Amino acid sequence: DAGVIQSPRHEVTEMGQEVTLRCKPISGHNSLFWYRQTMMRGLELLIYFNNNVPIDDSGMPEDRFSAKMPNASFSTLKIQPSEPRDSAVYFCASGLTQGSYEQYFGPGTRLTVT
Amino acid sequence: QKEVEQNSGPLSVPEGAIASLNCTYSDRGSQSFFWYRQYSGKSPELIMSIYSNGDKEDGRFTAQLNKASQYVSLLIRDSQPSDSATYLCAVTVIYNFNKFYFGSGTKLNVKP
Repeated sequence: DAGVIQSPRHEVTEMGQEVTLRCKPISGHNSLFWYRQTMMRGLELLIYFNNNVPIDDSGMPEDRFSAKMPNASFSTLKIQPSEPRDSAVYFCASGLTQGSYEQYFGPGTRLTVT
Repeated sequence: QKEVEQNSGPLSVPEGAIASLNCTYSDRGSQSFFWYRQYSGKSPELIMSIYSNGDKEDGRFTAQLNKASQYVSLLIRDSQPSDSATYLCAVTVIYNFNKFYFGSGTKLNVKP
């Protein structure tokens, strides 16, 4: 079975540019999570969706960040405009709203903003 | 603010020994507990979940939960160099089973 799919795997962009990260959750999962990981701050939850509806976006650092989930099999995280301090690894994870609540992570997108 | 505390390590153990990783949490309402393994440059990989007090064994891994003392631990028996990684503890609370609170992770080094 395919796991969580993320694209691109690496992104290098210049400050001020728009960045869009993409995620396809595991088929059948109805929860989707966006995390950011840095050495300084560890793994941080940015936002999560249940059944395509945003439930908690309290971790989104500022208005430059936005996330959408137009359907059960696709989500995007957008940063506009990007800044060097946004450089991090961004992970998408998916899971279920019932049962074990386990979350399964995608391979991540390493973002570098110069 | 939910706090999940882990010793950052590194924890060094010789090959074949038992590695013991600990995690404490501040919210008494915590309900579900998870251990993830993360190799350098890779994504977190779920290795154990535990929901009730006591021990849960899966191969060389044993998770131990003590809600009264608010700690959860992970034991790795017969440690192998391939177990060298950072281990992340995650906790959820009763009113939000979806939201994970992660510790900062413990780096484990298994020496051949």
